[in-house]
Amino acid sequence: AQKVTQAQTEISVVEKEDVTLDCVYETRDTTYYLFWYKQPPSGELVFLIRRNSFDEQNEISGRYSWNFQKSTSSFNFTITASQVVDSAVYFCALSENNNQGGKLIFGQGTELSVKP
Amino acid sequence: EPEVTQTPSHQVTQMGQEVILRCVPISNHLYFYWYRQILGQKVEFLVSFYNNEISEKSEIFDDQFSVERPDGSNFTLKIRSTKLEDSAMYFCASSVSRDFSNEQFFGPGTRLTVL
Repeated sequence: AQKVTQAQTEISVVEKEDVTLDCVYETRDTTYYLFWYKQPPSGELVFLIRRNSFDEQNEISGRYSWNFQKSTSSFNFTITASQVVDSAVYFCALSENNNQGGKLIFGQGTELSVKP
Repeated sequence: EPEVTQTPSHQVTQMGQEVILRCVPISNHLYFYWYRQILGQKVEFLVSFYNNEISEKSEIFDDQFSVERPDGSNFTLKIRSTKLEDSAMYFCASSVSRDFSNEQFFGPGTRLTVL
């Protein structure tokens, strides 16, 4: 069965600290996509990144980086030099090739609080 | 930049009443979705819709729920007889195609409160 687990419910850091948000997934599909979304206090869901199951190359975008390891079924997200504006709930999500309509399966989310 | 819009932003209703949540997906998108998020919990898939019919629905999406694309722009979620446990944020999303790799663009959500 497909499942996404974000074991960290809440993380609190001080500005400029680095922080890593963990995501572990389960799927029987060999072809799938992983996503990260950000949900700021205003409530909307903001797309951050998409990664397919055949591409294990790490990705960096500014202060954000993602580490995808198929061997451990993990897709972790690191924010370098965190800022107060990074405070939000972050969701990891999975989309499998074998589902009919591309539904996203979300993890429970990690609430990140960055204090000044 | 094109975006998904949802109305109303907040809906308060009495238990047993019908509600219709409205969404306008991005204009060239063909796949539409509804998700819900109970306060403090994860985002859950409700239904996907393509070519004027439901592609997939979750266990949550029972007979009380229905979706419709009444015209070329709107996509609606109807709850026939609301229950207290329907209180949640409802997100509409759309994507260019049904390809599982496609990014889904989410609307800002409608907060439904059932009293």
